[in-house]
Amino acid sequence: GENVEQHPSTLSVQEGDSAVIKCTYSDSASNYFPWYKQELGKGPQLIIDIRSNVGEKKDQRIAVTLNKTAKHFSLHITETQPEDSAVYFCAASNTGNQFYFGTGTSLTVIP
Amino acid sequence: DAGVIQSPRHEVTEMGQEVTLRCKPISGHNSLFWYRQTMMRGLELLIYFNNNVPIDDSGMPEDRFSAKMPNASFSTLKIQPSEPRDSAVYFCASSPGDRNTGELFFGEGSRLTVL
Repeated sequence: GENVEQHPSTLSVQEGDSAVIKCTYSDSASNYFPWYKQELGKGPQLIIDIRSNVGEKKDQRIAVTLNKTAKHFSLHITETQPEDSAVYFCAASNTGNQFYFGTGTSLTVIP
Repeated sequence: DAGVIQSPRHEVTEMGQEVTLRCKPISGHNSLFWYRQTMMRGLELLIYFNNNVPIDDSGMPEDRFSAKMPNASFSTLKIQPSEPRDSAVYFCASSPGDRNTGELFFGEGSRLTVL
């Protein structure tokens, strides 16, 4: 089955700096890669996703890149703000039904 | 849309008791998932349903766990008997089930503590 690894497990950045979270996957059949943000006491919420037919996608301060050859994808948050502090999960899927999640990155943005 | 609704939000019970967690998916979604979240193991898929039919229950830890989806708008996850190691946050999620979208919508979770 699919194995998704995520790094780092914790990340602290100064407000205004950029944050990068990286994930690797093992199954070359995976073709959908969402990123979820989980705030304290809440369920994970989709923030951005990318499909295997594109290499990069951007939504305001958030971008995701995908390298299919190397089987890794990354989340980039620019101009970080305190409200970006949360746990971020990457995931991989090849059917739209089976989702395999990374272990999460706890991001702290220091004001 | 009210989103995925889970109940109870918090449950504290004693070892050996039966626990039932409930989920109402988003109307029109035909896939439903139960996840367990712990610090040690992150988000683990327990079981998922497609059109009310269990498709993959390989993540269900043992026979003490069971899940049902009697209709498109309701699902339960039952633990009987419960053990302290079952303490976790249990999330229900639903999805349109369309390969072209794929987004999972999570509920706010049920935090279970087994003493």
